[in-house]
Amino acid sequence: NAGVTQTPKFQVLKTGQSMTLQCAQDMNHNSMYWYRQDPGMGLRLIYYSASEGTTDKGEVPNGYNVSRLNKREFSLRLESAAPSQTSVYFCASSEWGGGTEAFFGQGTRLTVV
Amino acid sequence: ILNVEQSPQSLHVQEGDSTNFTCSFPSSNFYALHWYRWETAKSPEALFVMTLNGDEKKKGRISATLNTKEGYSYLYIKGSQPEDSATYLCAFPNDYKLSFGAGTTVTVRA
Repeated sequence: NAGVTQTPKFQVLKTGQSMTLQCAQDMNHNSMYWYRQDPGMGLRLIYYSASEGTTDKGEVPNGYNVSRLNKREFSLRLESAAPSQTSVYFCASSEWGGGTEAFFGQGTRLTVV
Repeated sequence: ILNVEQSPQSLHVQEGDSTNFTCSFPSSNFYALHWYRWETAKSPEALFVMTLNGDEKKKGRISATLNTKEGYSYLYIKGSQPEDSATYLCAFPNDYKLSFGAGTTVTVRA
């Protein structure tokens, strides 16, 4: 039972570098999410995808782009990393939007120096 | 941005004591209210998804109530144990957008 799988688990980037965080789920869920977690601020929504083929901005989208590659995969890209993007990133999925529980990946700890 | 507020931010409980804390959310256009438990170094895990006013859910020693008319939900922990130490998050969906509160961190002292 893999559930939601994120890669990588840890990453250190230099300011200005780019990278893509990968997320895949094997539960046939329609909706997928990317969150960032910062101390004292809980989980903040970066982007979400209600269903395959759609993506929308969340609360803190600046500096990020996403791709819903297919029903299983939802990637998050940092085009030019900044120290303010140092955070723990979580991918999540749910069967349909907010009416069903979300399942989370194990998180990616990203440090931008 | 939806205003989902949780209080208190943190609390300390003696083992065996019971406790409760609050999630406040917009009462208009209610769809559902989620509760998650988030243990240190792990990922959040769902406890409950509540959809009906007056709904009560229970899982072991943890239970939750929902008042959609006034926009709040309580989470109760009965007879707290050290393994209940975690951050408890509530989440309020707006259509497909799932927004979380900042959480209540519970520390159970043995």
